[in-house]
Amino acid sequence: QQPVQSPQAVILREGEDAVINCSSSKALYSVHWYRQKHGEAPVFLMILLKGGEQKGHDKISASFNEKKQQSSLYLTASQLSYSGTYFCGTEGGGYSTLTFGKGTMLLVSP
Amino acid sequence: NAGVTQTPKFRVLKTGQSMTLLCAQDMNHEYMYWYRQDPGMGLRLIHYSVGEGTTAKGEVPDGYNVSRLKKQNFLLGLESAAPSQTSVYFCASSRERLYEQYFGPGTRLTVT
Repeated sequence: QQPVQSPQAVILREGEDAVINCSSSKALYSVHWYRQKHGEAPVFLMILLKGGEQKGHDKISASFNEKKQQSSLYLTASQLSYSGTYFCGTEGGGYSTLTFGKGTMLLVSP
Repeated sequence: NAGVTQTPKFRVLKTGQSMTLLCAQDMNHEYMYWYRQDPGMGLRLIHYSVGEGTTAKGEVPDGYNVSRLKKQNFLLGLESAAPSQTSVYFCASSRERLYEQYFGPGTRLTVT
């Protein structure tokens, strides 16, 4: 089942903060975050694993609440380059594959 | 390193025609994936492979076939194209299951 992302879209001014949420109805083992700029391929941001391990981007932070089956991506002091669509992908462990959400569009204006 | 490459970049097909999309990676990754991306739908997994000679179905496999005869290549075939297969197709690869996926630039396919 596809995870649910919120909000669907957000508009920020440069320097403002944003939080993007990802919620699943199934138990999760890991959550993956990607960013896609218009007309380009998705680019990896980070992976959060059950148990607290994280792999990824130094300047982006995220949380993973295993009990609530939720993850949040925190974008602080946003820059123009943060604009794009953010996707979370979730998987439940074992041999499962990633299921991506529908995305959150972020626009940072000057 | 070229990373992940896809050919062709664009293609227009008539209903009922067939075609093959080629994905190649030079990172010696075991895992390879084919996704389709439609407006407002996110990325949906079509088929994937966990190593040379293996393939498995993803979320939306109907109407597609795949082959992974060589570790570096993953082919996606459409035997009889339908307008519902109009989409942007992305190939991706990863070292292992819980590692980052590297995406190719995409193929924009239109079926008329």
